[in-house]
Amino acid sequence: GEDVEQSLFLSVREGDSSVINCTYTDSSSTYLYWYKQEPGAGLQLLTYIFSNMDMKQDQRLTVLLNKKDKHLSLRIADTQTGDSAIYFCAESRQSGAGSYQLTFGKGTKLSVIP
Amino acid sequence: IAGITQAPTSQILAAGRRMTLRCTQDMRHNAMYWYRQDLGLGLRLIHYSNTAGTTGKGEVPDGYSVSRANTDDFPLTLASAVPSQTSVYFCASSKSHGNEQFFGPGTRLTVL
Repeated sequence: GEDVEQSLFLSVREGDSSVINCTYTDSSSTYLYWYKQEPGAGLQLLTYIFSNMDMKQDQRLTVLLNKKDKHLSLRIADTQTGDSAIYFCAESRQSGAGSYQLTFGKGTKLSVIP
Repeated sequence: IAGITQAPTSQILAAGRRMTLRCTQDMRHNAMYWYRQDLGLGLRLIHYSNTAGTTGKGEVPDGYSVSRANTDDFPLTLASAVPSQTSVYFCASSKSHGNEQFFGPGTRLTVL
């Protein structure tokens, strides 16, 4: 089954806020990440949050972490057409003694309507 | 070279042929990864390497092999390609395992 879950699609109007949600399962995850993938391109790191933080803000991006519910969200303020992309949530998870890997969600496709 | 590069950009391959996808990074990152991205399945880890000289299996390793002879290069080999290996392949690297990963532009592989 899918350990990191995201809704597959989100559609918003230009200028509105977008909120992309993610749930994860490993309570020992140290870092949680948001990546952006534009059409035909690789993944680009947008932002990340350490597990002992509740919130992180970076310009138009706000990340909220609810560790109790294992819920992560990415809010994009004043969404622009250039924000149209697929957004991946990822958790850093221990995969063996001293070894960590990223586990990705399936991605949320954000469509911005002009 | 700046960052992480992959070659080829795209390839059409006959089933049964051998194919090596190349990945090179110039950031002196210790860890490198290969993923495949398929519609509806997201990104799945094929193989990884935490440091030069070591490799490990990811979620979907069957049909693929990797080597890590040095820090910069992490080739992915399909010994005998099958149509189910049609996908977009991404290489990534990180300073060490678990850190943020930097992705290459991807290789689109079609196996007929």
